[in-house]
Amino acid sequence: GESVGLHLPTLSVQEGDNSIINCAYSNSASDYFIWYKQESGKGPQFIIDIRSNMDKRQGQRVTVLLNKTVKHLSLQIAATQPGDSAVYFCAENSGGYQKVTFGTGTKLQVIP
Amino acid sequence: DTEVTQTPKHLVMGMTNKKSLKCEQHMGHRAMYWYKQKAKKPPELMFVYSYEKLSINESVPSRFSPECPNSSLLNLHLHALQPEDSALYLCASSPRRQGDTQYFGPGTRLTVL
Repeated sequence: GESVGLHLPTLSVQEGDNSIINCAYSNSASDYFIWYKQESGKGPQFIIDIRSNMDKRQGQRVTVLLNKTVKHLSLQIAATQPGDSAVYFCAENSGGYQKVTFGTGTKLQVIP
Repeated sequence: DTEVTQTPKHLVMGMTNKKSLKCEQHMGHRAMYWYKQKAKKPPELMFVYSYEKLSINESVPSRFSPECPNSSLLNLHLHALQPEDSALYLCASSPRRQGDTQYFGPGTRLTVL
């Protein structure tokens, strides 16, 4: 069936380095993608989104890249900080309504 | 006010108890959601309300009963739950347009004994 998934379940990064979290999706009808950050004991927090008519979007220290040809989404975090340690979920919306499907999640560990 | 609030933060209940989870938002959002999240898993959609009407029920057992009294409030009534229903229950809201971002509350950690 259609699914959203991640290549790496855990990513360890040195503080100050850049992080790249990847996500593969299989629903070619998806037209809106979101990255969420979830810290331990908290609800998911919106980080950045991108629509299918774009291939790149930048926020503060974060960049999302969308490659529709290979159905791949990535989140880049610049100058990773200890506060970035969390589980990161990609999510997709395949149009028509607010039904959002979450990927399996990647745990980002920042090494001081 | 740009947040979704949920009460209680933690709830422990027996299998014969009746309890309710509450969610509130004052962002003027017209869509509200309940998700269930097990440890180390992504959130799974349970229910969607749009303009106070139930629009999506993801085949959730009837021991979970949602209610949307008004556009700011969302409840989840619990009755005769099973230990496997123990999870983090998340509420979210969005403005109700296609491709809207959903904003999540902190969740209620539910333990069923």
